[in-house]
Amino acid sequence: EPEVTQTPSHQVTQMGQEVILRCVPISNHLYFYWYRQILGQKVEFLVSFYNNEISEKSEIFDDQFSVERPDGSNFTLKIRSTKLEDSAMYFCASSEPPGGLNTEAFFGQGTRLTVV
Amino acid sequence: QKEVEQNSGPLSVPEGAIASLNCTYSDRGSQSFFWYRQYSGKSPELIMFIYSNGDKEDGRFTAQLNKASQYVSLLIRDSQPSDSATYLCAARYSSASKIIFGSGTRLSIRP
Repeated sequence: EPEVTQTPSHQVTQMGQEVILRCVPISNHLYFYWYRQILGQKVEFLVSFYNNEISEKSEIFDDQFSVERPDGSNFTLKIRSTKLEDSAMYFCASSEPPGGLNTEAFFGQGTRLTVV
Repeated sequence: QKEVEQNSGPLSVPEGAIASLNCTYSDRGSQSFFWYRQYSGKSPELIMFIYSNGDKEDGRFTAQLNKASQYVSLLIRDSQPSDSATYLCAARYSSASKIIFGSGTRLSIRP
């Protein structure tokens, strides 16, 4: 069964360092998303990406964040200068071209980012 | 501001009973609704989606949607200990837009 793959599963970084979280969406999907979940809190939307550009972003997604689809398969989230409060589980998701109201988003297993 | 509200629980249900999880949403324009199950430290796993008023059944799970009341529910019949998890209700405005999650209801099935 096709799945969304995220690497690494766990990343520890020092405050102020740059991190890149990687995702390989399902191959025929065209919509890509990043979400994060701080421990004990809700899953929060960060950004959606379609046709090589950001289609929507939340207030959380400030200038420290960027996304890129560097080739035909990877989708990355970069945090330029990490802060302690960036520590969270980051989920990548992808979905097919809109085919109706039942278009679901498939989630990867997540990358746990720990900023120390 | 689009919001999805859930009671955080914990909801404790005896094994074999029906677990009932509820959710309300603020944006009347929301079109489709999802129930995800999340085990601790894991990613959300889709259980069911619904976009038409009424009931939708899949095995032991039944999702119910009432757009007039802006209310979504999930019933789990014959609850099993493996159903113990956090259940996330989510809403989507259109088929391409972001999914907005509630904070989740923690369900505990006691043997």
